[in-house]
Amino acid sequence: DAGVIQSPRHEVTEMGQEVTLRCKPISGHNSLFWYRQTMMRGLELLIYFNNNVPIDDSGMPEDRFSAKMPNASFSTLKIQPSEPRDSAVYFCASSPSTTPWTGTSGGIETSTDTQYFGPGTRLTVL
Amino acid sequence: DQQVKQNSPSLSVQEGRISILNCDYTNSMFDYFLWYKKYPAEGPTFLISISSIKDKNEDGRFTVFLNKSAKHLSLHIVPSQPGDSAVYFCAASARGTYKYIFGTGTRLKVLA
Repeated sequence: DAGVIQSPRHEVTEMGQEVTLRCKPISGHNSLFWYRQTMMRGLELLIYFNNNVPIDDSGMPEDRFSAKMPNASFSTLKIQPSEPRDSAVYFCASSPSTTPWTGTSGGIETSTDTQYFGPGTRLTVL
Repeated sequence: DQQVKQNSPSLSVQEGRISILNCDYTNSMFDYFLWYKKYPAEGPTFLISISSIKDKNEDGRFTVFLNKSAKHLSLHIVPSQPGDSAVYFCAASARGTYKYIFGTGTRLKVLA
């Protein structure tokens, strides 16, 4: 498998322009996550989808950010208009599970599924 | 508010010695913890995990320890190798959610 694919790998744009980041998750994976990495805040979860449905977008910083997952093999993260403070590395990750991590029951451990990350898109907004 | 904290931004260790990376969390609802490793220009890759019913999990040279009362976990790498030089992220998750909350990372440099 090719792993999670992200495009473009690098994006340089000017303030006010629209930016669209793309992600192709691993085939068969049911959950998709968008993260942003900055020096100050590390890896922040922006939004995640389960079976193409947005489950939690509480990490999306502003209305300028939007994400879609029109089908199981494609997702976009759009920033419009972009600002210099949006400069960061944006990661997409996917996970095979359809059900959330259920913790432990009767002392028997149940485990969540690992998230597999793409190589990231380095965004620079001038 | 950072729910997962890695207070050491960087760490240097001599090859062959032990590397200890630390992580603290504040949310008592977290019950699953992970470590990811990240090389430059690559995405993070899963390294090792531990659930709250355990206090130790081992995988080869990597061991994760969990102290629930102190809300603290640590990653031990023994022996450290130059190829271990990377940024290590600690992450935590709460029951019933897919959300991983990541720390800010610790850059490990293993000196040959």
